Amino acid sequence: DTGVSQDPRHKITKRGQNVTFRCDPISEHNRLYWYRQTLGQGPEFLTYFQNEAQLEKSRLLSDRFSAERPKGSFSTLEIQRTEQGDSAMYLCASSYGTLSYEQYFGPGTRLTVT
Amino acid sequence: ELKVEQNPLFLSMQEGKNYTIYCNYSTTSDRLYWYRQDPGKSLESLFVLLSNGAVKQEGRLMASLDTKARLSTLHITAAVHDLSATYFCAVDLSGTYKYIFGTGTRLKVLA
Repeated sequence: DTGVSQDPRHKITKRGQNVTFRCDPISEHNRLYWYRQTLGQGPEFLTYFQNEAQLEKSRLLSDRFSAERPKGSFSTLEIQRTEQGDSAMYLCASSYGTLSYEQYFGPGTRLTVT
Repeated sequence: ELKVEQNPLFLSMQEGKNYTIYCNYSTTSDRLYWYRQDPGKSLESLFVLLSNGAVKQEGRLMASLDTKARLSTLHITAAVHDLSATYFCAVDLSGTYKYIFGTGTRLKVLA
């Protein structure tokens, strides 16, 4: 298994544009998480899925953000009308089962909004 | 609201020295995780601590968990330059699966 993958790795966009990121978890991992990390800070939880169900969303996730995980496999995170404050590293993680709490992180997508 | 604090935030140490990073958290949790992050990279799992009194060691790093004190430590023995990175602890709230990360400790080991 190649681990959690994310695409793209880097994205530069102009303010007001929409962007979409993709995350492919480790196969058979039923939970998938999104975090956001700004420079010099620890990652902050955004949302998580168990299979295809989105079970929790952070208050950080404004209505410009939407995440999906159709069919319980890959996930997408879309940001509409991007703002400069959205510039960050977006990390995806996955975990397996009801007794395993360890999350495995992907390489991240670095977003720069100009 | 669960808060996770690490200290120190920055640590500059010489090769061969020992030091400890502390991670305090504000509410009940039995599970704590340590990750390493190199500049511009993602998070690499170091330790998973799942019960009070848990102690794990890997190479020059040793992590422990005291759930009653709500404290975890990451001890570095005889530091080497390759350990230079940012270290994060994370806690997940009982009954949830999301991680709350600490502020991070940026470690620089000087040759």
